[in-house]
Amino acid sequence: AQSVAQPEDQVNVAEGNPLTVKCTYSVSGNPYLFWYVQYPNRGLQFLLKYITGDNLVKGSYGFEAEFNKSQTSFHLKKPSALVSDSALYFCAVRGNTGRRALTFGSGTRLQVQP
Amino acid sequence: NAGVTQTPKFRILKIGQSMTLQCTQDMNHNYMYWYRQDPGMGLKLIYYSVGAGITDKGEVPNGYNVSRSTTEDFPLRLELAAPSQTSVYFCASSGLIERDTEAFFGQGTRLTVV
Repeated sequence: AQSVAQPEDQVNVAEGNPLTVKCTYSVSGNPYLFWYVQYPNRGLQFLLKYITGDNLVKGSYGFEAEFNKSQTSFHLKKPSALVSDSALYFCAVRGNTGRRALTFGSGTRLQVQP
Repeated sequence: NAGVTQTPKFRILKIGQSMTLQCTQDMNHNYMYWYRQDPGMGLKLIYYSVGAGITDKGEVPNGYNVSRSTTEDFPLRLELAAPSQTSVYFCASSGLIERDTEAFFGQGTRLTVV
C-alpha cells in the first residue's frame, strides 16, 4: 500500500528565513510526487510535482522541492518565507503502476511570523 | 475553463436522509477522486475512478456510493446520512499522461449531518 508521512504537524519560521516542510513516501514502482497548499476555507492548490528528471523541482510562488530516492523523501523548501505563505501544506504520492490513487499526507501547518 | 465544479457548496442533512454530491470536470481527465477532510485533518480517499464505467474503493468507502457513466461526471451518493459523515468533501480530477498528472480540486462541499 502506498503512504505519505509528514512528520511535523506545524512548522514555525520567521519572515525572510528559509523554510522546509518534510515529506517521506512509500509506493510501488516509480513515484509521482506532489505538493499542494490549502488556504482557510478553500480547496487545494497545486504547487509542484516530480515525475522524472532533475531531482530539484521548482514550482509556484518560489517554492521548490528535492526528490531523494534513497531516502524516499520529497521535502518542500523556500529560500525566504513570506507571511502570506502561512497555510496548510500537503504532500501526495501516486504510483505509476497498478493502483493509481492519489494518497495524501496528514498535512503540515506553516506559520510565518512577521 | 471551469476546471472541477462541485455542487452544492453547503448542505445540512438530517440523520437518515440521503443526498448526491455532484462533481463535473471539463478537462477530459481520466482520473477522478472523492476525498473527505475532517476539521484539522488531512484528506482521506473515499472512492476513485480511472475512467468511465470503472470505480474503486479508497480508504473510507463505507456509507458512500459512486458511479462514473461519463468522463465528465463523478457523483458521490450518501445513503442514510450519519453524524460521522459531517465533513468537507472534495472532488478532484487528473490526467493520464505524465505532463497532466497533477490533480485539480473543486472548491469543496461542506456537509453537516444533524
